[in-house]
Amino acid sequence: QQQVKQSPQSLIVQKGGISIINCAYENTAFDYFPWYQQFPGKGPALLIAIRPDVSEKKEGRFTISFNKSAKQFSLHIMDSQPGDSATYFCAASMTGANNLFFGTGTRLTVIP
Amino acid sequence: EAGVVQSPRYKIIEKKQPVAFWCNPISGHNTLYWYLQNLGQGPELLIRYENEEAVDDSQLPKDRFSAERLKGVDSTLKIQPAELGDSAVYLCASSGQGWGEQFFGPGTRLTVL
Repeated sequence: QQQVKQSPQSLIVQKGGISIINCAYENTAFDYFPWYQQFPGKGPALLIAIRPDVSEKKEGRFTISFNKSAKQFSLHIMDSQPGDSATYFCAASMTGANNLFFGTGTRLTVIP
Repeated sequence: EAGVVQSPRYKIIEKKQPVAFWCNPISGHNTLYWYLQNLGQGPELLIRYENEEAVDDSQLPKDRFSAERLKGVDSTLKIQPAELGDSAVYLCASSGQGWGEQFFGPGTRLTVL
């Protein structure tokens, strides 16, 4: 059973555009929601993370929007660049367990 | 600061053969994780260590998989015997004491023929 559902599976965006990736979860015990970026041949690397006490977190061009009542969260990449082309994973975990449940990933391609 | 080190990076074996993966976490990180990443999927936790104790191995297929973390530092994940369906990337990650960001290694890509 997939604990975290992610969409779309793939995304193509023009340079300078906005990339949006969505995730949904069921387990209300989750209280930590990170996004990871993975390049081919590399391990995932933490991009940005949010806890449910806030509805939005922004770091540079990357923003997480969090909707606790809908049990959904999304990643927005503003001014997308070709260097952002990678696979993005949302994840969720609960305090004390620290076991990350990952989504299935979104392959982002930013066209110059 | 050196990241999580894994070896080998690639391994090709025939089915029914044994295989072992090695991981050296970031210095000072007490928590170590092994994840399985199938092609086109997100990582899935196999086992989590707190120091030398395996605190969560509920997803580890114990009939053929084993792991150890002697002295609470580096760790080895073993598969014996390997099956075709074990072809995947095996990722190791580590985090500091308590709640902390998980840092991933580059993974070992296993191909079972």
